[in-house]
Amino acid sequence: QSVLTQPPSVSGAPGQRVTISCTGSSSNIGAGYDVHWYQQLPGAAPKLLIYGNINRPSGVPDRFSGSKSGTSASLAITGLQAEDEADYYCQSYDSSLSVVFGGGTKLTVL
Amino acid sequence: QMQLVESGGGLVKPGGSLRLSCAASGFTFSDYYLGWIRQAPGEGLEWVSYISGSGSAIYYADSVKGRFTISRDNAKNSLYLQMNSLRAEDTAVYYCAGQGIHCTSTSCYQASMGWFDPWGQGTLVTVSS
Repeated sequence: QSVLTQPPSVSGAPGQRVTISCTGSSSNIGAGYDVHWYQQLPGAAPKLLIYGNINRPSGVPDRFSGSKSGTSASLAITGLQAEDEADYYCQSYDSSLSVVFGGGTKLTVL
Repeated sequence: QMQLVESGGGLVKPGGSLRLSCAASGFTFSDYYLGWIRQAPGEGLEWVSYISGSGSAIYYADSVKGRFTISRDNAKNSLYLQMNSLRAEDTAVYYCAGQGIHCTSTSCYQASMGWFDPWGQGTLVTVSS
């Protein structure tokens, strides 16, 4: 059971927009800790996608965006492409300064 | 270019020990936090431990506290994870990662409560009799 809750799966057709939610509590996201997002392609190590709630590292397309409100955060992907099919994870901290991850969301491009 | 390379994984019997290493290059190693994250087969990411640049601040997940020890040798640009009393549920790919390394076009600095980047390629630990 992960501390941060994500939907197990989402799907969308090429060109569509999908969102992945990440729900926490008052002891983690709601306490003001930033949320970070990772993309993991099959057989590969995770890759940083969004840091500090809304920031994209260099090289990440602007089709990916993040937001945070209250005890939740969201990752949005617009203009869905076949290469976006992957697992996505959110990450934050809790009040004990432990790292917390979401359980992961598998994105399927139809 | 920042790079992390893990080694030391393998097959070990329940109750046994293993020491993982992570060699870093491409950044000022001693300036930054580093962490270990694991992923059991077919499962999600699970944070294991992290350590500050000086080694003075260390945090562990409850699942490994008292059994695993994180350490670093800044002279060797290396991070370690000593794993004792291993259990079947410790079977996973173990990744080392930089934590909160924020680089602009001109400089890099440590961000607090940071993200994990870069990541190593991972090393597989299998605990089985």
